[in-house]
Amino acid sequence: GAGVSQTPSNKVTEKGKYVELRCDPISGHTALYWYRQSLGQGPEFLIYFQGTGAADDSGLPNDRFFAVRPEGSVSTLKIQRTERGDSAVYLCASSSGTGETQYFGPGTRLLVL
Amino acid sequence: AQSVTQPDIHITVSEGASLELRCNYSYGATPYLFWYVQSPGQGLQLLLKYFSGDTLVQGIKGFEAEFKRSQSSFNLRKPSVHWSDAAEYFCAVGGRAAGNKLTFGGGTRVLVKP
Repeated sequence: GAGVSQTPSNKVTEKGKYVELRCDPISGHTALYWYRQSLGQGPEFLIYFQGTGAADDSGLPNDRFFAVRPEGSVSTLKIQRTERGDSAVYLCASSSGTGETQYFGPGTRLLVL
Repeated sequence: AQSVTQPDIHITVSEGASLELRCNYSYGATPYLFWYVQSPGQGLQLLLKYFSGDTLVQGIKGFEAEFKRSQSSFNLRKPSVHWSDAAEYFCAVGGRAAGNKLTFGGGTRVLVKP
């Protein structure tokens, strides 16, 4: 079946602009996770949804970052007033429930000029 | 707080030789442990996982890992590497206590010599 998909695959923006990154989880997966991977590092947790609600947003670096999952399926990560330090690969993962294996999408590579 | 250490940033191995990647973790409850592989420009692919039971876990592509609670380790092994195993490998820890959010190590990049 289809895996986790993320769009766009690449995004180039200018400092100060607003961006939205989309994640389509595996059908039927109730848990959805966002991670950020900076160059040469391992992924770092940002936020986790169980259904429509954010169960844990402790990894969001500041209030410029926000994520939604209004219908419990697709999720959008939103970044306001982008900064050059936001440049990274943003990874999305989904699982069939809390505590189950997470399956990752290919990521969105964000470059802030 | 949970953490993962992968002491080796780079490892170079000859094709056909054995490979062992080290992973040490810190977690306050029963850990779930994972190894993922990432090829250039690709997402993360799950190699294997440990939730409970037998401490020697078999995964895909001929990889295995052994959970050693006394050493807080979960090292990855492969008896004979292929050129296609060149990639970056990440160890991760999670668990129900943390909502299974994963904490990753910094990764080990594996280069395979012909």
